[in-house]
Amino acid sequence: QVHLEQSGGEVVKPGASVKVSCKASGYTFTSYGFSWVRQVPGQGLEWMGWISGYNGNTRSTQKVQGRLTMTTDTSTSTAYMELRNLRSDDTALYYCARDNRDYGHYYFDYWGQGTLVTVSS
Amino acid sequence: QSGLTQPASVSGSPGQSITISCTGTSSDVGGYKYVSWYQHHPGKAPKLMIYDVSNRPSGVSNRFSGSKSGNTASLTISGLQAEDEADYYCSSYTTSSTLAVFGGGTKVTVL
Repeated sequence: QVHLEQSGGEVVKPGASVKVSCKASGYTFTSYGFSWVRQVPGQGLEWMGWISGYNGNTRSTQKVQGRLTMTTDTSTSTAYMELRNLRSDDTALYYCARDNRDYGHYYFDYWGQGTLVTVSS
Repeated sequence: QSGLTQPASVSGSPGQSITISCTGTSSDVGGYKYVSWYQHHPGKAPKLMIYDVSNRPSGVSNRFSGSKSGNTASLTISGLQAEDEADYYCSSYTTSSTLAVFGGGTKVTVL
């Protein structure tokens, strides 16, 4: 069955970077892309960006554009999300989600368990 | 970026039906059949409940149904059960510079 396993929580200082991993299993990794979604404590879900499983194209929100890099490693079936120049308002639970838009379907059918990133000095 | 609008909370007694609304614009909910709904128990991974407005993934109870009228989509939970108590989020494809937008979430309470 499909499973997305994310890396553990991180505490990072303001201005630093964090890289979260999302290891996929149970399906052909290159057949689907990934979206990254975050949840600031006490708030709702916020879509951050997407990487195509088909050609590696990426798109992200203006809010994180320039600070967000999404990559995949097909040799290990792992997706990565790196966020740079972290601020206190980046403190959130970060999720990876399998994205179906490469097939013209716009939904996230499997999610990782979430990675808590805390930005604190 | 503006998100989709959902009520903050909805409640119902066991066995009752409740409906959660999700209002957007013609650039997202109203313009496309790409609305999805997610159930989120805090501390767990969100779960896809409805996709493409009204389709249920395999394994999701038929007590969950989705619909859309104009710029507003709806999720109905019939025969409400204690296990349905969770946060629910709608999402839609959008023609804005972002590719996806979420609602603010609705907390469902089973009385």
